[in-house]
Amino acid sequence: GQQVMQIPQYQHVQEGEDFTTYCNSSTTLSNIQWYKQRPGGHPVFLIQLVKSGEVKKQKRLTFQFGEAKKNSSLHITATQTTDVGTYFCAGGSTLGRLYFGRGTQLTVWP
Amino acid sequence: DAGVIQSPRHEVTEMGQEVTLRCKPISGHDYLFWYRQTMMRGLELLIYFNNNVPIDDSGMPEDRFSAKMPNASFSTLKIQPSEPRDSAVYFCASSTLGAENTIYFGEGSWLTVV
Repeated sequence: GQQVMQIPQYQHVQEGEDFTTYCNSSTTLSNIQWYKQRPGGHPVFLIQLVKSGEVKKQKRLTFQFGEAKKNSSLHITATQTTDVGTYFCAGGSTLGRLYFGRGTQLTVWP
Repeated sequence: DAGVIQSPRHEVTEMGQEVTLRCKPISGHDYLFWYRQTMMRGLELLIYFNNNVPIDDSGMPEDRFSAKMPNASFSTLKIQPSEPRDSAVYFCASSTLGAENTIYFGEGSWLTVV
């Protein structure tokens, strides 16, 4: 079945360092969504990418969707302690399902 | 606007007991999802509904789990009988346009089966 693989599972950085998480699908996706879950919280939508090769920015966050629509990445520049949490990618299929990756748990040391 | 509302927020129950989790989706959303989150398995889709009709229940672990959506503003996820391995956070979420649009999660129901 369709799977969305996400790496790394954990990432520890010092405040000010950059962070990247990667997402790969075995099949072509209709769209990719990114969510953030704070410790003890629930996933919260960050962004959706739909077009092949699309790049979107939200302040220090940069999201990319691969040309083949099978991979995506989230890059955070100069991390802050407020960036702590687990970042999930979720790939959409044409059948209406959203397949979540396992997430990357980001820890930021002050 | 109110988000997705789940109850109870926390439940501790004994093995063998019936557990019912409740969800009120965002008004106007026609898709409703039930997810389960554990450390071991991550975020798993259990079942989703479109216009109150179950579309895909392939993620429901076994017959002990059942979900209903009697109307557009209410859904339940029932576990009977519950087992310790069912301990997890259960999220309800809703959206319009299914996977083509943002999914809004509730705050979750934290279930512990002892």
